[in-house]
Amino acid sequence: SYVLTQPPSVSVAPGQTARITCGGNNIGSKSVHWYQQKPGQAPVLVVYDDSDRPSGIPERFSGSNSGNTATLTISRVEAGDEADYYCQVWDSSSDHRVVFGGGTKLTVL
Amino acid sequence: EVQLVESGGGLVQPGGSLRLSCAASGFTFSSYSMNWVRQAPGKGLEWVSYISSSSSTIYYADSVKGRFTISRDNAKNSLYLQMNSLRDEDTAVYYCARDQYPPRKGMDVWGQGTTVTVSS
Repeated sequence: SYVLTQPPSVSVAPGQTARITCGGNNIGSKSVHWYQQKPGQAPVLVVYDDSDRPSGIPERFSGSNSGNTATLTISRVEAGDEADYYCQVWDSSSDHRVVFGGGTKLTVL
Repeated sequence: EVQLVESGGGLVQPGGSLRLSCAASGFTFSSYSMNWVRQAPGKGLEWVSYISSSSSTIYYADSVKGRFTISRDNAKNSLYLQMNSLRDEDTAVYYCARDQYPPRKGMDVWGQGTTVTVSS
């Protein structure tokens, strides 16, 4: 089965840029979606199809995907960005299924 | 307002059954594929099941295949998850989530979740 690997944690100072990676075999051939989840809340879609933003998501959130790594980039990080972030793909290679990464805790110092 | 509201969670003994519901409002439910996603206490997100807008396509995670059944009633704007032979490891918050249109472009609307606890 397809596996997505994320770092457990990323720390960044306010105003700096946070980069959260999502590794998978030839993930560049798949569409990657990213979710933000704050404690006690449901996830929120922040980036879809590698780099598109849903309406209402700040331009500070961007994404890229190439080779074996997809990246969520958060520019000018704010205290309110502190949350867990999950990447997600559809794996149609064998049995169709949705795959989530293990999640990354973003800490704003 | 676009909204999903789950219900039906609770405490159930191992081996028992539970039926979750998800009521949709504020959008044309029959046009969207839907998912169930769960989150065990302190853990990450785990996809459970997918159903297409017309119910013609259904997928399950290996961990629930043969035990859980997803269904929908477009006339009632409702999504369901029938859970049988429940195990301790099924304990989680269960979310229903809407697939963007066209499908497989991320889940753009989520409910608040309903908690399922499997314990004797």
